[in-house]
Amino acid sequence: ETGVTQSPTHLIKTRGQQVTLRCSSQSGHNTVSWYQQALGQGPQFIFQYYREEENGRGNFPPRFSGLQFPNYSSELNVNALELDDSALYLCASSLGGRGSEAFFGQGTRLTVV
Amino acid sequence: DAKTTQPTSMDCAEGRAANLPCNHSTISGNEYVYWYRQIHSQGPQYIIHGLKNNETNEMASLIITEDRKSSTLILPHATLRDTAVYYCIVRNLFGNEKLTFGTGTRLTIIP
Repeated sequence: ETGVTQSPTHLIKTRGQQVTLRCSSQSGHNTVSWYQQALGQGPQFIFQYYREEENGRGNFPPRFSGLQFPNYSSELNVNALELDDSALYLCASSLGGRGSEAFFGQGTRLTVV
Repeated sequence: DAKTTQPTSMDCAEGRAANLPCNHSTISGNEYVYWYRQIHSQGPQYIIHGLKNNETNEMASLIITEDRKSSTLILPHATLRDTAVYYCIVRNLFGNEKLTFGTGTRLTIIP
């Protein structure tokens, strides 16, 4: 148990729809990162939020967006879903600062049909 | 971020020490070596990290060579529950602290 919870655990959406995934960070952690993991590959960094501000972004299009709330929980929003967006979406929280380890949630399995 | 090279897969007998190598020849002075593992269909689990000294915790030991160009993760007494994909990651101390995952090593513990 890492204290990082994600919801929902599984989700099926139709191409073109929009989806919102949620993450509650570990108590005391002010940094949340989101990753996409396609089948058979390692997780790929989408973006990170630190104290409600985006603090770095990977190679993902603008239809991937996020929010971080004052309690440091976070949302990942994906618009205009494509079949290739089918993946495990992982949230990781950390304390922020040099070398702090990140703790991952169990992920949300998104299937786009 | 510096890249890492790991074997694609390894087997280890249950009860023996599992030694997982990682090459990171382009690591820079402000980058840590991190190890995570991912058991099937779960989120990655933090194992250990280090800068230049050897580190040990309740899960594993991390041996980093003096030139910091390679490291070895040691699971001292492997169990079946250690079967997972193990990721070696080098991570900058500054900036947004993102983790850059490669393809990792698939470790299978054999009964």
